[in-house]
Amino acid sequence: LAKTTQPISMDSYEGQEVNITCSHNNIATNDYITWYQQFPSQGPRFIIQGYKTKVTNEVASLFIPADRKSSTLSLPRVSLSDTAVYYCLVGEIAAAGGTSYGKLTFGQGTILTVHP
Amino acid sequence: KAGVTQTPRYLIKTRGQQVTLSCSPISGHRSVSWYQQTPGQGLQFLFEYFSETQRNKGNFPGRFSGRQFSNSRSEMNVSTLELGDSALYLCASSLRPYNEQFFGPGTRLTVL
Repeated sequence: LAKTTQPISMDSYEGQEVNITCSHNNIATNDYITWYQQFPSQGPRFIIQGYKTKVTNEVASLFIPADRKSSTLSLPRVSLSDTAVYYCLVGEIAAAGGTSYGKLTFGQGTILTVHP
Repeated sequence: KAGVTQTPRYLIKTRGQQVTLSCSPISGHRSVSWYQQTPGQGLQFLFEYFSETQRNKGNFPGRFSGRQFSNSRSEMNVSTLELGDSALYLCASSLRPYNEQFFGPGTRLTVL
C-alpha cells in the first residue's frame, strides 16, 4: 500500500475552514484515497473517499489533483467538536463491490485542535 | 441499525495469560477486521475475515489469532500475554472486504 505523509498537528479556530493535506507519491492506479476521523477512546469513523478531482459530502470535501500524488481534506467552518485525529489512507478499495481484499494501513494521522 | 459491538470494553490480565475478545459486526456485514492501537505504534492492522476465512494478516506474531463464525461474529485471541500487548483493540466491519469500515468502540486491554 502507498505510504502517506501528513502534518503531525494543526491548530484552528471555530468557524474557520481547515485544510489537511496528505502526500502519497507512490499511489497506484487502482488506489482510492480515504479519510477517517478518530476521537479519543473511540474507533475511527469514515469521513470521505475519492479517486480523483473533487468529492463532497455533508461533512467534508476532498480535493485530488490530476497527478493524484496528494489530496486535501477540507472541513468547512470547524467547531470544537471537530478536534480529533484525522487519518489519510491510500489503498485499493472495493468502493462499489469488487474482489479486493485489502487492509487499512493507518499513518500517524494529523491531530487537529480547534480553539474557541 | 446497531453499530459494531465489542466485548468486553475493558480487560486487565497478567503476563503469560491468554485473552479472547469478541466482536459483533453490523447486521448484514460479512467482513470483520481487527486493529491494535497503541500510543507508540498507532493503529496497526491485525487481520481480516470474510465468510469465516482469514483473507489478510498483518505483521503480528502467531500469539495473535482470530476466527469468524457463520453469523459473521468474530473473536480474536492473544496467548501468552506480554506487557507490550497492552493496547486498544478495535474491530471494524464492512459489507465486503475493504469497503467502508465501521469501527466499534474497542476493547482496552491492560497487561500487568
